[in-house]
Amino acid sequence: DSGVTQTPKHLITATGQRVTLRCSPRSGDLSVYWYQQSLDQGLQFLIQYYNGEERAKGNILERFSAQQFPDLHSELNLSSLELGDSALYFCASSVARNGYTFGSGTRLTVV
Amino acid sequence: DQQVKQNSPSLSVQEGRISILNCDYTNSMFDYFLWYKKYPAEGPTFLISISSIKDKNEDGRFTVFLNKSAKHLSLHIVPSQPGDSAVYFCAASAVNNNDMRFGAGTRLTVKP
Repeated sequence: DSGVTQTPKHLITATGQRVTLRCSPRSGDLSVYWYQQSLDQGLQFLIQYYNGEERAKGNILERFSAQQFPDLHSELNLSSLELGDSALYFCASSVARNGYTFGSGTRLTVV
Repeated sequence: DQQVKQNSPSLSVQEGRISILNCDYTNSMFDYFLWYKKYPAEGPTFLISISSIKDKNEDGRFTVFLNKSAKHLSLHIVPSQPGDSAVYFCAASAVNNNDMRFGAGTRLTVKP
């Protein structure tokens, strides 16, 4: 157990739908990062939150949004889902930039 | 934007031999580099890192080499063991950025 909890582990949904992925960071970590890993692709950085505020944005689609709540857990919202959104979504948390700890991921399948 | 590139999608080596995984980067602002290891159905786990002020960092069987002029780093595993079979991701970050950029990964298979 890395200390970073992601739910659900698996999600199957239809095109056009909206889903929410949840991440609870490791105790004491203020930063939460979201990454997407598509088939045979590397980890694509989506977005970072630090203590409730958006800190950095990567290749995140406009159909996707995220937030970090006062208790530091984060949610990634994916809307108007397309087949190409099927991927593994990882959350990581850190205290410093060299201390990333990843969750075990949410596998999203869009059918 | 592929700022971090791992051009070999897979590598197969014999148990006991050396595994060399390579990584190239384009952003000259990167000053901290890491290798992560990922098993199926698990998230990536930190393996080893190196700061740009060094050209080598060693941790047991794992050594990372950094060639700043070539914007290239490599991970050496000696001796390779079957349990090392996993996907290895190279990652980099810049001092003025908190986010980390990852390569596409190299799948290492160590054969008994």
